[in-house]
Amino acid sequence: AQSVTQLDSQVPVFEEAPVELRCNYSSSVSVYLFWYVQYPNQGLQLLLKYLSGSTLVKGINGFEAEFNKSQTSFHLRKPSVHISDTAEYFCAVSDWGTSGSRLTFGEGTQLTVNP
Amino acid sequence: DSGVTQTPKHLITATGQRVTLRCSPRSGDLSVYWYQQSLDQGLQFLIQYYNGEERAKGNILERFSAQQFPDLHSELNLSSLELGDSALYFCASSVDPNQPQHFGDGTRLSIL
Repeated sequence: AQSVTQLDSQVPVFEEAPVELRCNYSSSVSVYLFWYVQYPNQGLQLLLKYLSGSTLVKGINGFEAEFNKSQTSFHLRKPSVHISDTAEYFCAVSDWGTSGSRLTFGEGTQLTVNP
Repeated sequence: DSGVTQTPKHLITATGQRVTLRCSPRSGDLSVYWYQQSLDQGLQFLIQYYNGEERAKGNILERFSAQQFPDLHSELNLSSLELGDSALYFCASSVDPNQPQHFGDGTRLSIL
C-alpha cells in the first residue's frame, strides 16, 4: 500500500516570497509522483510530474519539485509567489502497476499568498 | 480547460434517491477514473476503466457502480443516497494507465 503525507495543511506567505510545500510518501514499489493544484470551484490541474530521470522536475507557473528517494520526499518549490498562486495543492503518488494506476493523494496544503 | 467534461456541475437530491454522473474523457483518452472529494475523507479513488473494462477498484461502496461505454464516456451511478455521500465527484482521463491523469471540474452532489 502507498500513502502520502503533506506536512503542512496551511502555508501563508507574502507576495514575491519563496515557498516550499512539503510532501513525503511511502510505498513498497517504485512510484510516480505528481503535484496538482485546485483553484476554488475548479478541478485539479496537473502542475508537474516525476516519472523517471532527473530528480529535479520543472512544471507550469514557475513551480519545481525535487524527488529524493532516500528521504522519500517530493517537495514543491517556487522562488517567488504571486497572489494568483493562492490555491490548494495536492501531492499524489501512483505505482502504475498492471492492476491499475490509481492516484493516492495527500490531504492537501492550502497556500495563501498575501499582498 | 482539461478537455474532460463532467455533467451536471451541481446536483441536489434527497436521501434514498439515485443519481447518475456523466463524464466525457479527453479526445483519444482510453482510461477513465472516478474520485470522491469530501471534507472528512479528502480525495479518494473510486474506480478505473480502460477501454470499456474495469481495471481497478478503490474505496467504492456497493451502492455505487460505474461503467464505460463503447464511445468511452463513463457514468457513475449512486443509489440509496445517504447524507454522507455529499461530496465533489471528479472524473479524470488519460491516454493509457501509464500517462498522467487530467481532471474534469467535478460534479458537486448535495444530499438534503
